[in-house]
Amino acid sequence: DAMVIQNPRYQVTQFGKPVTLSCSQTLNHNVMYWYQQKSSQAPKLLFHYYDKDFNNEADTPDNFQSRRPNTSFCFLDIRSPGLGDAAMYLCATSRSTSGRAGEQFFGPGTRLTVL
Amino acid sequence: KNEVEQSPQNLTAQEGEFITINCSYSVGISALHWLQQHPGGGIVSLFMLSSGKKKHGRLIATINIQEKHSSLHITASHPRDSAVYICAVTRTYKYIFGTGTRLKVLA
Repeated sequence: DAMVIQNPRYQVTQFGKPVTLSCSQTLNHNVMYWYQQKSSQAPKLLFHYYDKDFNNEADTPDNFQSRRPNTSFCFLDIRSPGLGDAAMYLCATSRSTSGRAGEQFFGPGTRLTVL
Repeated sequence: KNEVEQSPQNLTAQEGEFITINCSYSVGISALHWLQQHPGGGIVSLFMLSSGKKKHGRLIATINIQEKHSSLHITASHPRDSAVYICAVTRTYKYIFGTGTRLKVLA
C-alpha cells in the first residue's frame, strides 16, 4: 500500500543534542510538509517542500532545518533541542499542480521527548 | 478570531447516539477537510469537500459554500469513534486548521 512512513515513532534526546527525524513516502507526491503538534493543539506547519523548493514558515525557529535529498525522503533536523521542542512531529505529503494543493496524507508521527 | 472555528470543543455521547460537529470558516477556500486523530496517533483524512455532501460508512460530511459552513455527522456512534475531529481548509498549498473537537463515546 502506498503510504507515508515516519521513523522512529518515538525519539528521546537530551537537551541540546542534535536529532534527525525521517519521513519517506511511496505516493510519489511532489509536496512534503513537516508539522509540529503539541498536546491538545492543532498541528503547526514548520516548512514544506514544493518539489525541490524549500518554503519556511516565518515563525519557524532557526533551530529547525530540513533536507529533501529526493522525491521520496524528507528529514527534519533539530540542531539543539530544547525542552519546548518536545512534541509530536508529523510529516505529510500531497500532490499539487499549478500551485493548488491536493489532499494531504499524514504519517503516523514521531513523538519527541527532550530530557 | 480564528479563520476556522469548530464547535463544540468537547463532546461526550452515549453509544448509538447521532453526533454532529460543526465548522465555520471566514476565508476563501479551495476545499475543506475533515480529519480524525486518535490519542497519541497520526492524522487520518476522512473527507475532502468542495461542495455538497459525502458519505462513508457511518460518517456524513456536508458543506455550504455560501454560508461558509460544514458539518460532520456520525450515525450510530461507537466507542471506537472516540477521537479528535479536526476541520481544515485549503488555501493554496496550506491547511488552516480548526481547533478540533474532542469526542468521547461511552459504551
